[in-house]
Amino acid sequence: GAGVSQSPRYKVAKRGQDVALRCDPISGHVSLFWYQQALGQGPEFLTYFQNEAQLDKSGLPSDRFFAERPEGSVSTLKIQRTQQEDSAVYLCASSLKIAENTGELFFGEGSRLTVL
Amino acid sequence: QKEVEQDPGPLSVPEGAIVSLNCTYSNSAFQYFMWYRQYSRKGPELLMYTYSSGNKEDGRFTAQVDKSSKYISLFIRDSQPSDSATYLCAMRGNTGFQKLVFGTGTRLLVSP
Repeated sequence: GAGVSQSPRYKVAKRGQDVALRCDPISGHVSLFWYQQALGQGPEFLTYFQNEAQLDKSGLPSDRFFAERPEGSVSTLKIQRTQQEDSAVYLCASSLKIAENTGELFFGEGSRLTVL
Repeated sequence: QKEVEQDPGPLSVPEGAIVSLNCTYSNSAFQYFMWYRQYSRKGPELLMYTYSSGNKEDGRFTAQVDKSSKYISLFIRDSQPSDSATYLCAMRGNTGFQKLVFGTGTRLLVSP
């Protein structure tokens, strides 16, 4: 596609529900990142994929957060048993190059999660 | 203390003004410095990208990095209402995989 596509754009969940957020990166992009952006804050790193390999998941806040990219293209971020503190915009970004090299990150518009 | 500090603003200026946006950081390992622009309810988009110290100019935008002071700046000349957005600084190291660390963002409002 022309850009990074994320769905759903908006998600309202009741506390305790599971949610799945999808990211469709730019075709051919090797690197894929998930970031969490709380209201009034900058994006915070969650996890990084190089193709299908999850090379860094140090930013995932708890074991309720899980991400996958099984075929090296589309990625899903899953949050189990959502809590109010999970309310944020989840941004996906992709890059043509591997993260060790310089390369522009292209961000999607984000999925805004509100947990009631 | 956060690794990257940025004044959240808002910063309000009249059209045509020169805008100065700044970030300070604490990690001396940071080598790549970026400025992203984020419009409301949109994802960040890259504006400027600088490696190590020095200046870089692109149209109305100038990025400066002073590694000795751990201080980076973005200048916008002849500001336009369309420049109204949140400006995020971001930085990373250069060994192995290094995650991008963002500032909180400065909200800029340019009035006609």
